[in-house]
Amino acid sequence: GQSLEQPSEVTAVEGAIVQINCTYQTSGFYGLSWYQQHDGGAPTFLSYNALDGLEETGRFSSFLSRSDSYGYLLLQELQMKDSASYFCAVRLGDKIIFGKGTRLHILP
Amino acid sequence: GAGVSQSPSNKVTEKGKDVELRCDPISGHTALYWYRQRLGQGLEFLIYFQGNSAPDKSGLPSDRFSAERTGGSVSTLTIQRTQQEDSAVYLCASSAGSPGPEQYFGPGTRLTVT
Repeated sequence: GQSLEQPSEVTAVEGAIVQINCTYQTSGFYGLSWYQQHDGGAPTFLSYNALDGLEETGRFSSFLSRSDSYGYLLLQELQMKDSASYFCAVRLGDKIIFGKGTRLHILP
Repeated sequence: GAGVSQSPSNKVTEKGKDVELRCDPISGHTALYWYRQRLGQGLEFLIYFQGNSAPDKSGLPSDRFSAERTGGSVSTLTIQRTQQEDSAVYLCASSAGSPGPEQYFGPGTRLTVT
């Protein structure tokens, strides 16, 4: 079967750094994506890793280790507007399979 | 340019009725996806269209669900004989690639079956 595991909730302080992990067990892996979803909103694309290593986009970075079936999303200089759910998603051939999401709570 | 649009934004229907949900993808995007998201849950893949190819229907939960895509653009998701467990937000997404890791999502249709 295929599964993605990510923590259900993470809490961090405004201005700090937080890491959201994602592990996967899949057959036929092409890459790992990250999406952000605010309450009542639609998911928005953040980043994609097809190869091992770190991808940086402003305050957000994403990392992938294919040998460990593991990736993470790193958010720096946290702002209150970053409070949202974050989903990792695995590309399997023609499908994108999403994890259950991590709810990020930010404290002032 | 315009993003992905979906209609209606909200739909309340009685159990047993049929509903039709519509998605207009971004112009030029060849791939189109439907997902279901129950309250507080992740996204559940339903179906994927790539251009004029036969769709990947492997995620459809039952034979009450069907979808079509006309002319490689607009798509409709039809749920027949709705059940209360069908209540969810139905999200449509499109991407330029096949399948693109960067998907653009519509605002969703919130379906409530009473």
